Amino acid sequence: DAGVIQSPRHEVTEMGQEVTLRCKPISGHNSLFWYRQTMMRGLELLIYFNNNVPIDDSGMPEDRFSAKMPNASFSTLKIQPSEPRDSAVYFCASSFGGAYNEQFFGPGTRLTVL
Amino acid sequence: AQSVTQLDSHVSVSEGTPVLLRCNYSSSYSPSLFWYVQHPNKGLQLLLKYTSAATLVKGINGFEAEFKKSETSFHLTKPSAHMSDAAEYFCVVSEDSSYKLIFGSGTRLLVRP
Repeated sequence: DAGVIQSPRHEVTEMGQEVTLRCKPISGHNSLFWYRQTMMRGLELLIYFNNNVPIDDSGMPEDRFSAKMPNASFSTLKIQPSEPRDSAVYFCASSFGGAYNEQFFGPGTRLTVL
Repeated sequence: AQSVTQLDSHVSVSEGTPVLLRCNYSSSYSPSLFWYVQHPNKGLQLLLKYTSAATLVKGINGFEAEFKKSETSFHLTKPSAHMSDAAEYFCVVSEDSSYKLIFGSGTRLLVRP
């Protein structure tokens, strides 16, 4: 298995632009997580999907952030409009079942908003 | 509320010497505890996990951790450091049966030749 796939690996954009991050979970996994990693706040859970349904989006910072999971093999995290404070590494992770089961992390997308 | 405190932001050891990365947790319920490793420009990889079975947990690459409820600690150890162990290590806690992982601030391990 190729593991969790994220694209792009790096994204540089200007303030005000729309940014879309993509994630392909491991085949057969039914849980998907989006995390954000910054120096100031460390790793934070943004949103959790189970069986393609958003279960917990309490970590989404504000309305500029949205996430979708149209099917079991694809998810997007969109920021519109982007701001410099959104600069961070965004990780996608997937697992089968709950927290007892290992979350497998993708390599991350490093986002820089100028 | 749950929280995790990693007591050292940086640890430096010589190759072949023991590694100790310290972690204390706070949890109202029976916690599940994890250690993850992050190599530069890579995603996080699970090293080991504790889920109320044996208190001494063995993980990959020779790492192990001991759950000590009386001390609310879950320190990560390895008898002999290897250059390839240089990375950032995260102690993580979750409440029983919860999907939510609470990450510590991380400890960067430097291994000197």
